[in-house]
Order: sequence, then structure tokens, then C-alpha cells
Amino acid sequence: DAGVIQSPRHEVTEMGQEVTLRCKPISGHNSLFWYRQTMMRGLELLIYFNNNVPIDDSGMPEDRFSAKMPNASFSTLKIQPSEPRDSAVYFCATSGTGGGETQYFGPGTRLLVL
Amino acid sequence: AQSVTQLDSQVPVFEEAPVELRCNYSSSVSVYLFWYVQYPNQGLQLLLKYLSGSTLVKGINGFEAEFNKSQTSFHLRKPSVHISDTAEYFCAVRKIGTGGGNKLTFGTGTQLKVEL
Repeated sequence: DAGVIQSPRHEVTEMGQEVTLRCKPISGHNSLFWYRQTMMRGLELLIYFNNNVPIDDSGMPEDRFSAKMPNASFSTLKIQPSEPRDSAVYFCATSGTGGGETQYFGPGTRLLVL
Repeated sequence: AQSVTQLDSQVPVFEEAPVELRCNYSSSVSVYLFWYVQYPNQGLQLLLKYLSGSTLVKGINGFEAEFNKSQTSFHLRKPSVHISDTAEYFCAVRKIGTGGGNKLTFGTGTQLKVEL
């Protein structure tokens, strides 16, 4: 199994530009999570999906952030327009829906907004 | 709601010494408990988890943790650390019995630095 796949691994963009982060979950996993990690705020859950449906988006910082999961094999996190304070490492994680299921994390996308 | 407290933000230790990383949680319902490790420039990976049964849980890389319900703790231990254990360690909890997914509440992490 290839694990959780995220792309791109690194992204450098200028303030105001649109950024799209992508995630391919492990086959058969029904839950997908987007996290953001910074030195100041630590690891934050932004949104999670169950069976492609958004369950909890209370962690999404503001309307500039949006996430979609059009099918079981793909999810995107979009920032439009991007700002320097969005600079962080963004992780996608997936799991089965059993109570004690392990979340498997992707390698992350390191985003720098200039 | 649940919360997780990792009181030690950094723990320096010499190689081959024992180490304990502390984790306390707060929850009005029963929880599952997890420890994850993050090596530099990588995602998190599971070290071990407690779901039920024996309160002493053994994980990968020689780590173990003990669930103490009365003290609401889940401390992580290793009897002899190696340089390669240098990483950040996260404690996490999940409510038992909720539907809609597998949402975890993470602590703020403890940076373990193993020195020669």
C-alpha cells in the first residue's frame, strides 16, 4: 500500500494567489482529515469527512479555506486568496470508521506564502 | 469535550537512559488513547494505542504506555532511548461510541531530544 499521498510536497506562492492541496487516501478508508501544523498553534484539525461527506468544519479558519471530497479517492483543500499567515505544513490523514481505528498521516505539504 | 495535556514541551535525555513522557486527559466519557510520533519533516505515525483490556500497552520501537483511569493519565515510557528516538511525540484521545468518523483530540506535543 502506498499510504496517504499528498501533493505537492512543497509550495511557494505569493500573497493573493490560489493554492490547492491534494490528498489521495488509503484505499478502503472512509474517514479523511485535514490538519494544519505551525510552531505557534501546533497541530490543528481543519475539517474531516466521513464517506465523502464533511462532518465537522469548525476548524476551518475562515471563508478563504474550502475543502472538497468529490469521491472516495480524492480530496482537496483550497486557499483563496492566500495570505502569509497561512504558511504552515498541511497534513492529510485517513482512517477506517471503527472506533479504535488508527489515523494514517501523509507526508504533508509545506506551504510558504510570501 | 475532551482535552489532552502534555505538560512537558521538551524533554532532554542522554542516550541509553530511561524516559517518561507525560500525558493527562480530561473527558466526561470513556476514551480511546493514542501516542503518535513525528520525526523531522515527516507526518505523524502511530506508536501505540489503548482501546481496552490490559492497561499496559506495548508499541513499536520499544515504547510502552500505561493507562491509569483514576489519574486520567497515559504516560509513555521507554527503558533505554536511542539517538533515533529524537522526535516529537503527541498524545491523543477519541471518545468511545460516537459516530461520524474518528476525530482525535491531540495534545500540544513533547519534543524528545536524545543526546550522546
